[in-house]
Amino acid sequence: DAGVIQSPRHEVTEMGQEVTLRCKPISGHDYLFWYRQTMMRGLELLIYFNNNVPIDDSGMPEDRFSAKMPNASFSTLKIQPSEPRDSAVYFCASRQGANTGELFFGEGSRLTVL
Amino acid sequence: EDQVTQSPEALRLQEGESSSLNCSYTVSGLRGLFWYRQDPGKGPEFLFTLYSAGEEKEKERLKATLTKKESFLHITAPKPEDSATYLCAVQAYGAGSYQLTFGKGTKLSVIP
Repeated sequence: DAGVIQSPRHEVTEMGQEVTLRCKPISGHDYLFWYRQTMMRGLELLIYFNNNVPIDDSGMPEDRFSAKMPNASFSTLKIQPSEPRDSAVYFCASRQGANTGELFFGEGSRLTVL
Repeated sequence: EDQVTQSPEALRLQEGESSSLNCSYTVSGLRGLFWYRQDPGKGPEFLFTLYSAGEEKEKERLKATLTKKESFLHITAPKPEDSATYLCAVQAYGAGSYQLTFGKGTKLSVIP
């Protein structure tokens, strides 16, 4: 398996623009997580899905952030409008089953908002 | 609220100089504690799962141990390729038990 695939790897945009990050989880994994990593706050959970259904989005910072999982092999995280404080590395991770803490992470999308 | 605190934030070791990284946690009921390794520009990579106090897991030069309040990652005779950030995470029972809470990590540098 190719692992969790994220795109783009790097994104530089201007404040106010829409940003869409994409994720393809490992085939057969039924949980998908979106995390954000910064030096100040470390890894923060934004939202997670089980069988394509959003379960907990309490980590989404505000209404500018939205996430979808239209099918088992694709998820998006959208920021509209983007702000400089959204600059971070965004990770997607997937896992199989609930009773494990073994997450498989993608290589991340580094977002810079000018 | 679950909390994970890792120390030190950064650690520089000479090759062969053994040491330990600490992970202190506060959780209502521990379902599992996990160690991950993160290389620069990469996503975290799973290393170990520990479930109960007294449990130990080993992998090459790494050994993870668990008590009721903290976990240690012991590194024996480290090599430069062990340089990475090591992350600790906890999973709790109850509401939200399907997610992990991560610490900020310890950045380990092993100097040849």
